[in-house]
Amino acid sequence: GPKVLQIPSHQIIDMGQMVTLNCDPVSNHLYFYWYKQILGQQMEFLVNFYNGKVMEKSKLFKDQFSVERPDGSYFTLKIQPTALEDSAVYFCASSSSQNTLYFGAGTRLSVL
Amino acid sequence: GDSVTQKQGQVTLSEDDFLFINCTYSTTTYPTLLWYVQYPGQGPQLLLKVTTANNKGISRGFEATYDKGTTSFHLQKASVQESDSAVYFCALVAGGSNAKLTFGKGTKLSVKS
Repeated sequence: GPKVLQIPSHQIIDMGQMVTLNCDPVSNHLYFYWYKQILGQQMEFLVNFYNGKVMEKSKLFKDQFSVERPDGSYFTLKIQPTALEDSAVYFCASSSSQNTLYFGAGTRLSVL
Repeated sequence: GDSVTQKQGQVTLSEDDFLFINCTYSTTTYPTLLWYVQYPGQGPQLLLKVTTANNKGISRGFEATYDKGTTSFHLQKASVQESDSAVYFCALVAGGSNAKLTFGKGTKLSVKS
């Protein structure tokens, strides 16, 4: 089936530094999403993105977070600066028409 | 806001046992209810989607229905196999929500041969 690739699979970073999580969505998909999952807890919606703009974001999407997809390249989630509570697995997803979401395998972010 | 409650954190079965996982939901919209499955090292994959109350979704031997009256939906399978071992998430998409999913906490299914 369609594949969403997330790079890297695991990122370790010191608190206060910047981190960029990369997502290569399914080609010709137009809608992009980020979800956050803290170990043992449910996946929670962060943000969705369409046509170069954030459509909706949750209260978890702090001011330190930003998303972009410059010129059809990776869809990225940037956190600057990182905090300890940002440690989680971040899942990217894409869809063609707000219908079925295809998820990547996730990036495990460890903030020390 | 929308919410999904999935109370069964872990289920252990033997092969050929019957599986039943239940979720309850809360929303003010007309929702679509979904089940996702996540295998180790992978992202969640859509297993089933049910868009109309009391209709069934069927895939890979799994069956899902939802009951608008009790705001509950469940996943069942008549005879599980060891390969069904995974984490199962129920989720809700509220009407008109740009496909934003609200997930339950997940049920880890372990099937012993």
